[in-house]
Amino acid sequence: DAMVIQNPRYQVTQFGKPVTLSCSQTLNHNVMYWYQQKSSQAPKLLFHYYDKDFNNEADTPDNFQSRRPNTSFCFLDIRSPGLGDAAMYLCATSRIGTGKGNEQYFGPGTRLTVT
Amino acid sequence: QKEVEQDPGPLSVPEGAIVSLNCTYSNSAFQYFMWYRQYSRKGPELLMYTYSSGNKEDGRFTAQVDKSSKYISLFIRDSQPSDSATYLCAMTVDNYGQNFVFGPGTRLSVLP
Repeated sequence: DAMVIQNPRYQVTQFGKPVTLSCSQTLNHNVMYWYQQKSSQAPKLLFHYYDKDFNNEADTPDNFQSRRPNTSFCFLDIRSPGLGDAAMYLCATSRIGTGKGNEQYFGPGTRLTVT
Repeated sequence: QKEVEQDPGPLSVPEGAIVSLNCTYSNSAFQYFMWYRQYSRKGPELLMYTYSSGNKEDGRFTAQVDKSSKYISLFIRDSQPSDSATYLCAMTVDNYGQNFVFGPGTRLSVLP
């Protein structure tokens, strides 16, 4: 089945220790998104890639970076995690140009704990 | 005022009840409206997608948009315990897969 996969599902890191979360998709979608979702809050868009074009939200901290080496994979790097970065990180994809650009498919998320 | 507001719940209903979930918004430019279902510790799953005002039905689910009131609703008929989840509304201005704004979600429990 075509899907969005996130690894790991649970990640524990220490304060200030860099961490990388990964997302892969078999949907051949041209857009990949990273969201941060804290408990009982709306998902907050961090950035997205339209093909190789990177789009950063204005209020995304510099501590967060992303890479998309190819169509299928996208990574979220947190350079120096703080306690406030503990959250669920959601990857999503969509396909612009088919009339379904707003239909996002989400992965299961990675729950990040910062100790 | 937040751009999208949603009653956080939790909302508890007996099995078989009709459920009404609602969002209000402030940006009159929004034209595309989505409802997502999110089970605990899982990613959101797209349930309904509508454009502009009107109703859309899919099985037990009906999405309703009233742009004049800046108000959208999701109705669930014959609710089941498997409908227990958090329901998120989302909206955007155009069809280019950008600038989504999500509500904080309403947590629903359907009791057997």
